[in-house]
Formats: sequence, structure tokens, C-alpha cells
Amino acid sequence: QVHLVESGGGVVQPGRSLRLSCAASGFTFSSHGMHWVRQAPGKGLEWVAVIWYDGSRKYYAESVKGRFTISRDNSKNTVYLQMNSLRAEDTAVYYCARYTSGHEDYWGQGTLVTVSS
Amino acid sequence: DIQMTQSPSSLSASVGDRVTITCQASQDISNYLNWYQQKPGKAPKLLIYDASNLEIGVPSRFSGSGSGTDFTFTISSLQPEDIATYYCQQYDNLAAHTFGGGTKVEIK
Repeated sequence: QVHLVESGGGVVQPGRSLRLSCAASGFTFSSHGMHWVRQAPGKGLEWVAVIWYDGSRKYYAESVKGRFTISRDNSKNTVYLQMNSLRAEDTAVYYCARYTSGHEDYWGQGTLVTVSS
Repeated sequence: DIQMTQSPSSLSASVGDRVTITCQASQDISNYLNWYQQKPGKAPKLLIYDASNLEIGVPSRFSGSGSGTDFTFTISSLQPEDIATYYCQQYDNLAAHTFGGGTKVEIK
């Protein structure tokens, strides 16, 4: 069955960097786009970024554009989120999700990123 | 960017009640709308896609309707396990899959 496992979260100081990973299994990874979605403590869902199945297109929320980079390695069935110049407002649980025909049909369990000095 | 306005932000209803949540897009998104359920401490779960299609395995008491800018999500008979927060999401703009603000559903 489809399985998505995020890793790489933790506590980081403002201005520093962090890279999240999402390991996928149970489906043909190279056939699906992948999203990152985040949720600040006690808040709603915020879409962060998407990467096409072949990595040819990448799009970002305005709030992270220029600071975050989404990438993927189809040989490792893994999607990444490189987060630079982190701010307190980036504190959130970060979820990766599989993209299928317009919707995110499978989600990981999330990884918590805390930006604090 | 397309803005999604969801209402109400919270509601309280009795077991067996019919529950309705609305979602309004800031521009025409055809039927490019999804509904998700999120229980505390858990990842979101897809319930409805393309405005009205029920995801496999989702109980039939959940339904969705609408097109253009106005959409409705309905639980025909609220059950205790339906306590959660529900989100709409548009994907008309493939470059930004905007979510609504969420509706927290509680049992009265």
C-alpha cells in the first residue's frame, strides 16, 4: 500500500536551513507529482510547494518563494524540501502528499519544524 | 491567487443531524475542488474530489456539490467519529492549491 514517511524536522534557529525528506513506497513514484503542505500549531492547512512527476515544473506559495526549494530523486523514491532563511512563522508540521489527477490522495504523518532561538 | 472562503469556521450539532459547510472561491474554478477531513494529531484525509466524487472507502453520508464559485459539503447524518476539521481546496490553479480556512465540527 501507499506509504509516505517524512523526516528531517527539528528545532532550528532563525535564519538557518533545514532539509526535509519524504520517502515513498507502494506506488510508482515517478508517475506522480508530489506536494508539501504545512500546518502551524493550532492553525489551518497551508499549501507550500508542488513538483511535477518528472521534476520539470515546480511551484511555490508566495510565503516561501525564494527561500524554499522542492526537488525529487526518482531513483530513490524521495521528495525533498530545502528550507533556507527560516523564520519563526515557518514553524509547522510539514506533510508530503501524493498528487493524483488534481487531488492529494495520500499523506505522510508529518514532521515538525520549530524555528526558535 | 485564488482565495477560498469557508463557512462556518466552527459548528456544533447533534448525532444524526445534517451538517452543511460552504466554500466560496474568489473566481470560477469549475469543479476543481476537494474536501478533506482532519482529525486531531492526524494527517488530512481526502473525502471528496472534483467537487462531488466520493473517494473510495469514504462513507456515503458524506457528499459534495457545486461548481463555479460556490460549493457545499454535507454530512447527511452526523456520527461521533465525524468530529474533525474539514477543509476545502481548489486546484484550478495548478501552481497553488489553496485551502479554505477550515470548519471545526463538534458534537452538541
